[in-house]
Amino acid sequence: SQQGEEDPQALSIQEGENATMNCSYKTSINNLQWYRQNSGRGLVHLILIRSNEREKHSGRLRVTLDTSKKSSSLLITASRAADTASYFCATGVGNGQNFVFGPGTRLSVLP
Amino acid sequence: DAGVTQSPTHLIKTRGQQVTLRCSPKSGHDTVSWYQQALGQGPQFIFQYYEEEERQRGNFPDRFSGHQFPNYSSELNVNALLLGDSALYLCASSFGTEETQYFGPGTRLLVL
Repeated sequence: SQQGEEDPQALSIQEGENATMNCSYKTSINNLQWYRQNSGRGLVHLILIRSNEREKHSGRLRVTLDTSKKSSSLLITASRAADTASYFCATGVGNGQNFVFGPGTRLSVLP
Repeated sequence: DAGVTQSPTHLIKTRGQQVTLRCSPKSGHDTVSWYQQALGQGPQFIFQYYEEEERQRGNFPDRFSGHQFPNYSSELNVNALLLGDSALYLCASSFGTEETQYFGPGTRLLVL
């Protein structure tokens, strides 16, 4: 089974609301990254958080990491229609270059 | 500064055929990774090339092979295609051991 599992599988919200996605993983990691993918195209890197970090911010994005619970969350504040996409967490294992992706959360932001 | 490029964008093959996909990494990057993404799933790691050698490999059969050239570009070859090989194939590049990978737009392969 996959290392990372995002929750929920799908999320639908109104523009301006906040969106929270969660990721759980099974083994020890070096880092965890969040990516966005629009309509089956290439993935765009959003943010990386290392195993010794607990929280990181980037613009409207906030990522937390709880290594004791083996989980991470991605918060998108003040969502926009352009945020509609699939969001994946990827865990860096070993030398950190072998990324294991979860199945993703499909976010729909309605205008 | 060109990002990661992949060719072709779309490809249709029949079962048993062979296919070659190509990837040019982002300028300054020397490491190339390949992923397979089935519809509705997350990307699955196939292998990674660094200094023209396969550095890591995921759980894929040896029908999947690759190559990295001196200019760091890379090819993914798949032999004896199966219907289940239909997917989006993504290339990602990075520099050395840096953790962040930059993805190309992908090649969508359909096997009939």
